[in-house]
Amino acid sequence: GAGVSQSPSNKVTEKGKDVELRCDPISGHTALYWYRQSLGQGLEFLIYFQGNSAPDKSGLPSDRFSAERTGGSVSTLTIQRTQQEDSAVYLCASSLGVAGGSTDTQYFGPGTRLTVL
Amino acid sequence: AQSVTQLGSHVSVSEGALVLLRCNYSSSVPPYLFWYVQYPNQGLQLLLKYTSAATLVKGINDFEAEFKKSETSFHLTKPSAHMSDAAEYFCAVSATGFQKLVFGTGTRLLVSP
Repeated sequence: GAGVSQSPSNKVTEKGKDVELRCDPISGHTALYWYRQSLGQGLEFLIYFQGNSAPDKSGLPSDRFSAERTGGSVSTLTIQRTQQEDSAVYLCASSLGVAGGSTDTQYFGPGTRLTVL
Repeated sequence: AQSVTQLGSHVSVSEGALVLLRCNYSSSVPPYLFWYVQYPNQGLQLLLKYTSAATLVKGINDFEAEFKKSETSFHLTKPSAHMSDAAEYFCAVSATGFQKLVFGTGTRLLVSP
């Protein structure tokens, strides 16, 4: 079946511009995660959505970052006023979101490579 | 708080040799531990996960890992390396009741003929 898809695969933007990154999770998965992978910081958790619960935003690095998930499916990560340090690969993952399931397997998309000039 | 430490940013082996990638964890609660592999320009793929059911966990492509509480380790092994195993490997931990993964810094596996 279809996996997690992300678009665009690559995004080049100028410093100060806003960008939107999209994630389409696996159908039926109620949990969705955003991570960032950069040379300096490795793989970092950004935000987590589970069903209709309030998202866990504890990993967002600044108030320039926000994310939403519409209709419990597609998610958009928005970065406002981009800075060069925002350059990274942004990975999305989804999982079934089994209640109480910390062992729930996260399936990752191919990522969006963001370059801020 | 949970964390993992991966010893060695690069590991080189010859084709057919044993693969050993090291991961030590720190957790205030019984952890859930994962190994993911990332091939160039691709996302992360789960190799195996420890969920307290069994200390020796078998994963895909003949990889396995053993949870050792006394050593706070979860090292990844494979008896015989293939060229196709060349990739970056990440150890990750998740705490009970939380879903976010905390990743190690990764180990790049190089396999030579």
